[in-house]
Amino acid sequence: QKEVEQNSGPLSVPEGAIASLNCTYSDRVSQSFFWYRQYSGKSPELIMSIYSNGDKEDGRFTAQLNKASQYVSLLIRDSQPSDSATYLCAVRPNAGNNRKLIWGLGTSLAVNP
Amino acid sequence: SQTIHQWPATLVQPVGSPLSLECTVEGTSNPNLYWYRQAAGRGLQLLFYSVGIGQISSEVPQNLSASRPQDRQFILSSKKLLLSDSGFYLCAWNRDSYEQYFGPGTRLTVT
Repeated sequence: QKEVEQNSGPLSVPEGAIASLNCTYSDRVSQSFFWYRQYSGKSPELIMSIYSNGDKEDGRFTAQLNKASQYVSLLIRDSQPSDSATYLCAVRPNAGNNRKLIWGLGTSLAVNP
Repeated sequence: SQTIHQWPATLVQPVGSPLSLECTVEGTSNPNLYWYRQAAGRGLQLLFYSVGIGQISSEVPQNLSASRPQDRQFILSSKKLLLSDSGFYLCAWNRDSYEQYFGPGTRLTVT
């Protein structure tokens, strides 16, 4: 069974620090990887997508993908209290026209002022 | 730009009552549409997805059903709600890319 695993947390970091969120996946042929942020009581919103090995940066967010080790991570630099949320990792499990995603359970992040 | 709507935002229904949740997408045509449920403290569970009018794929056997009567409209229904149907129901869409974009959700409480 294809799985996506995340540490449930809570991950607690002080304001201004770097928050590091990790995600591992079981399907070696997974093609596309996504990070979503979900505030309490709200719907998930897409932060970043990454398709190739290496780093992808967008503002304070950096996604890192290592297909050989089957993990994807999200770094949040200069963490702010407004970054406190649950972060969901999602993986498109295989090639072809499959548009379904496999979701992790999420990591709860708390940024302390 | 594209916008996705869901209604109602919240709903409290007794066990055994029917359900109808609606999702509409604006600003695009022929989207892929998805219904998810997120139970308290649990992950996103894909319930149904649709690649076109009248085309519905069911992911989990249950007492729910989905329909797509128009290109940008996706409806989730039940004839008789169970307590276990409580949760946060999310509609999502995508089209040319694999990123999924979510609506605001409907919080359903079955009493």
